[in-house]
Amino acid sequence: GEDVEQSLFLSVREGDSSVINCTYTDSSSTYLYWYKQEPGAGLQLLTYIFSNMDMKQDQRLTVLLNKKDKHLSLRIADTQTGDSAIYFCAEKVVTGGGNKLTFGTGTQLKVEL
Amino acid sequence: KAGVTQTPRYLIKTRGQQVTLSCSPISGHRSVSWYQQTPGQGLQFLFEYFSETQRNKGNFPGRFSGRQFSNSRSEMNVSTLELGDSALYLCASSLATWSGRAELNEQFFGPGTRLTVL
Repeated sequence: GEDVEQSLFLSVREGDSSVINCTYTDSSSTYLYWYKQEPGAGLQLLTYIFSNMDMKQDQRLTVLLNKKDKHLSLRIADTQTGDSAIYFCAEKVVTGGGNKLTFGTGTQLKVEL
Repeated sequence: KAGVTQTPRYLIKTRGQQVTLSCSPISGHRSVSWYQQTPGQGLQFLFEYFSETQRNKGNFPGRFSGRQFSNSRSEMNVSTLELGDSALYLCASSLATWSGRAELNEQFFGPGTRLTVL
């Protein structure tokens, strides 16, 4: 079945690294995504990883995937106040086709000076 | 290139009424998906349309329906509104429906329509 879990809150100091974790249960996931949502806004795609990859780096963002444990993480290096937002992980499971994404509960990241 | 637009941005309705929300995808995108976001249930998939056909449907009652026009614009309709329908309704567009190529399936989200049911 599909179930995606995240911790609710994370607080870090500006300049530190942030690590946001996500666990999922469906082993047939093909792509796993990280989205960012700022107050009053829609979702912004940050990055994604294919299920046969272990790691993907994109500027300040590093995604790690442990498929055995069904664990996904997003590391933000040199976290800035502009990174304060809610971060969602999402999985795409190819069952019956379509672009359906199953989202996690979201992690609210607060960056303090 | 213009992003995904949703109208209206805010809407207030009363129980029992019906509502229609509109989504205009990015030019050239043919897939439109709808999601409901609430504090209690989080982000939940409603349905996806591609080439005017519903391709996938989430676990919502029949009061929630949608359609897609030949220009890929999509509307969703909620009839007999209930208090629990109060939510942010997000629309996302992509070039194609599932194809196995991430760049074709990347979903771009609109700002959402905030629906309040009184």
